Amino acid sequence: DGGITQSPKYLFRKEGQNVTLSCEQNLNHDAMYWYRQDPGQGLRLIYYSQIVNDFQKGDIAEGYSVSREKKESFPLTVTSAQKNPTAFYLCASSIAASGRSYEQYFGPGTRLTVT
Amino acid sequence: SQQGEEDPQALSIQEGENATMNCSYKTSINNLQWYRQNSGRGLVHLILIRSNEREKHSGRLRVTLDTSKKSSSLLITASRAADTASYFCATGRTGGANNLFFGTGTRLTVIP
Repeated sequence: DGGITQSPKYLFRKEGQNVTLSCEQNLNHDAMYWYRQDPGQGLRLIYYSQIVNDFQKGDIAEGYSVSREKKESFPLTVTSAQKNPTAFYLCASSIAASGRSYEQYFGPGTRLTVT
Repeated sequence: SQQGEEDPQALSIQEGENATMNCSYKTSINNLQWYRQNSGRGLVHLILIRSNEREKHSGRLRVTLDTSKKSSSLLITASRAADTASYFCATGRTGGANNLFFGTGTRLTVIP
């Protein structure tokens, strides 16, 4: 988990409320990512950012929003429009790709429960 | 979907035995990576193999890649109880950004 922190570890919210998950990295990486993991499943990409002030939708962006105002930070907001928000959310970072591929470094995750 | 699929979904072995997990994918890739996840934790990168490589080693790990069959395997030799975890393959998407498609994972249990 080194270099990337996510807070909080567990988060509980009522249905209809927006909630923001924090992700901070001190690895000096340009690229950051948000994934969602459901029980027994792989990871699905929500949003990614290759550089400050720029981000792109991933495969399941509906009901989520992000910002990238600082290189170190990439917060994810789960809005009330997300129909099934309960999941394990993982943030990752990497060197930004330009014709090559790099490993991604993951945070410890935030488990969000919406009731 | 370009998502990889691991096989088997679950694997249980005795400590000291070798563990082999397989990954198949559907479209062209520029690299394939293997990650490990302990229960309720983040993922940890294990190894990356590029599309022009056929085999790679790292400690007790051996990864092979067959792009003609669109498949990869991860071999863990002399397994330990601490190897108990879920293992995911991830394929690098072509076209620029360092985005990955993750498979559904193999849950490995190593019995002491």
